[in-house]
Amino acid sequence: NAGVTQTPKFRILKIGQSMTLQCTQDMNHNYMYWYRQDPGMGLKLIYYSVGAGITDKGEVPNGYNVSRSTTEDFPLRLELAAPSQTSVYFCASSYSRGYNEQFFGPGTRLTVL
Amino acid sequence: QQQVKQSPQSLIVQKGGISIINCAYENTAFDYFPWYQQFPGKGPALLIAIRPDVSEKKEGRFTISFNKSAKQFSLHIMDSQPGDSATYFCAASKTSGSRLTFGEGTQLTVNP
Repeated sequence: NAGVTQTPKFRILKIGQSMTLQCTQDMNHNYMYWYRQDPGMGLKLIYYSVGAGITDKGEVPNGYNVSRSTTEDFPLRLELAAPSQTSVYFCASSYSRGYNEQFFGPGTRLTVL
Repeated sequence: QQQVKQSPQSLIVQKGGISIINCAYENTAFDYFPWYQQFPGKGPALLIAIRPDVSEKKEGRFTISFNKSAKQFSLHIMDSQPGDSATYFCAASKTSGSRLTFGEGTQLTVNP
């Protein structure tokens, strides 16, 4: 099992550009999550999904969009990138809700200049 | 009401010492409290977790202490080792819920 994989590992964007961060899991997990990590701020939930076709906003959804067409994939779309979106982005998955362990990918480091 | 407050922000401990990280939560509906460990350049990984029906849970050198009345919980790392140097996040959720609320993180450095 590869677990949770994310691409790309690093990316530099110019202000106003768009991009998609890819996330794939091979554990047949129903729940998937996108977080951003900023120094001293912990992990903030951007969006999450409880199954294919179902997504919901987290704490910091503005400037992002997601879709979940399959169980395996949960891409995060950045439209009109801004410097405030400079961060490390983590995708995670879990089998179910609540007390189920979340498995994290290795992250994508994004810089917006 | 969804916040989880974590302290200290950074911690330096000598090898063999005890590392203590504290968290406080506001939402009394939370009933699952995990700790995640993150090494540089990696994603977080579950270290240990506790449910509020017990006041303490121990796994090897790692112990969670839980105080329901004070709405606080803490991670104790006994006999700290340089390999424990990492960022530690506490978190909280409802077992009926879909999402974790994370603390701000503690960067632990264990000196040889």
